[in-house]
Amino acid sequence: SAVISQKPSRDICQRGTSLTIQCQVDSQVTMMFWYRQQPGQSLTLIATANQGSEATYESGFVIDKFPISRPNLTFSTLTVSNMSPEDSSIYLCSAGTSGSTDTQYFGPGTRLTVL
Amino acid sequence: QQQVKQSPQSLIVQKGGISIINCAYENTAFDYFPWYQQFPGKGPALLIAIRPDVSEKKEGRFTISFNKSAKQFSLHIMDSQPGDSATYFCAASIRGAGGTSYGKLTFGQGTILTVHP
Repeated sequence: SAVISQKPSRDICQRGTSLTIQCQVDSQVTMMFWYRQQPGQSLTLIATANQGSEATYESGFVIDKFPISRPNLTFSTLTVSNMSPEDSSIYLCSAGTSGSTDTQYFGPGTRLTVL
Repeated sequence: QQQVKQSPQSLIVQKGGISIINCAYENTAFDYFPWYQQFPGKGPALLIAIRPDVSEKKEGRFTISFNKSAKQFSLHIMDSQPGDSATYFCAASIRGAGGTSYGKLTFGQGTILTVHP
């Protein structure tokens, strides 16, 4: 199994600022994804973090608002740019390895509040 | 259609009872169906998963039943315990031969399970 850590665990930010969330996996993984979860709601995929290339974004999410980096097979960052109160949510990183035993694990999440 | 519909929204069960959560999907390309358990303040944890080539998978007190023709799958928790109280999410993804959709999870709406002692 993969152990995933995220930093920060929570933050309170001012409108108009940006926050970068880090995701670290304890082993090399093929897949890394970023999800958003509104409190009490389900998870929505933001993007696939591709190692060495631009992230692949889902409908409704754009690179200018959520730039993502993935410099290697164990690390990724998600930036929430020019934040507004509507960005208040839990942001979750997930990772997994493709193959016969592929399983996707989730980090503990980053709880973001935008004032 | 990428939706996964989950029911019920909430479920209350007595200790020792059976909890049943149902999900239905539209996209026949889905070929991997995991269930996640999430406790407050934590990330989702994989509970059990199934592929469409089998109709049932059991791990301890947790069983997935899968009906490919009906495009439905369900989670059964036998001998439910207060410690099982959590939010449960079904999900679906496309594994197949890879491609741009590989591994992306589409989640159901979630079920809040409460097990009374």
